Amino acid sequence: GDSVTQMEGPVTLSEEAFLTINCTYTATGYPSLFWYVQYPGEGLQLLLKATKADDKGSNKGFEATYRKETTSFHLEKGSVQVSDSAVYFCALRYRDGGYNKLIFGAGTRLAVHP
Amino acid sequence: GAGVSQSPSNKVTEKGKDVELRCDPISGHTALYWYRQRLGQGLEFLIYFQGNSAPDKSGLPSDRFSAERTGESVSTLTIQRTQQEDSAVYLCASSFNPTGPNNSPLHFGNGTRLTVT
Repeated sequence: GDSVTQMEGPVTLSEEAFLTINCTYTATGYPSLFWYVQYPGEGLQLLLKATKADDKGSNKGFEATYRKETTSFHLEKGSVQVSDSAVYFCALRYRDGGYNKLIFGAGTRLAVHP
Repeated sequence: GAGVSQSPSNKVTEKGKDVELRCDPISGHTALYWYRQRLGQGLEFLIYFQGNSAPDKSGLPSDRFSAERTGESVSTLTIQRTQQEDSAVYLCASSFNPTGPNNSPLHFGNGTRLTVT
């Protein structure tokens, strides 16, 4: 079945470092891909999305490109801040019969130190 | 309110008791999902409602779990005879029914933290 795999955390970086969180997926159809973020003490919120191959989603300095050839959707940011410390979830959404299935990766915790 | 609202925010219950968790989706959102998030783990899909269609119950872990939703309004998730392994944060999310295949994002509530003692 369809699935999402993310790199394990925690990822610990110094402020202004470059961030990559890897996400790969398996899917039989043409899914949409998302990154959600969960800040400490808050609910999940959408960070960015891409709905077709080669699309680039971007928000708050984060970017991810939908790569169909490598079935990947890696999250990147050029210069992280302490306020980026959170848990990041890669997600895949696809149609299965009449249902919109949305499955999540296990999450990657990011800790940014000053 | 403007967002997805869940209640209670915290629930402590004794093993063997039944609990009922509530989700108020964003007005106009026809799709509603329930997920479970155990401590330090990812999101586990439980159930999905889409309008008046039959729900997708494929993620419910046992027959102790059930959920209802009337139309496009409030949903309740019921756990009967709770066990300690049911302790988790239960998250509700809603979205519009996408006219395209896949591109309507989910809006999450803050969750209900359930502790079974």
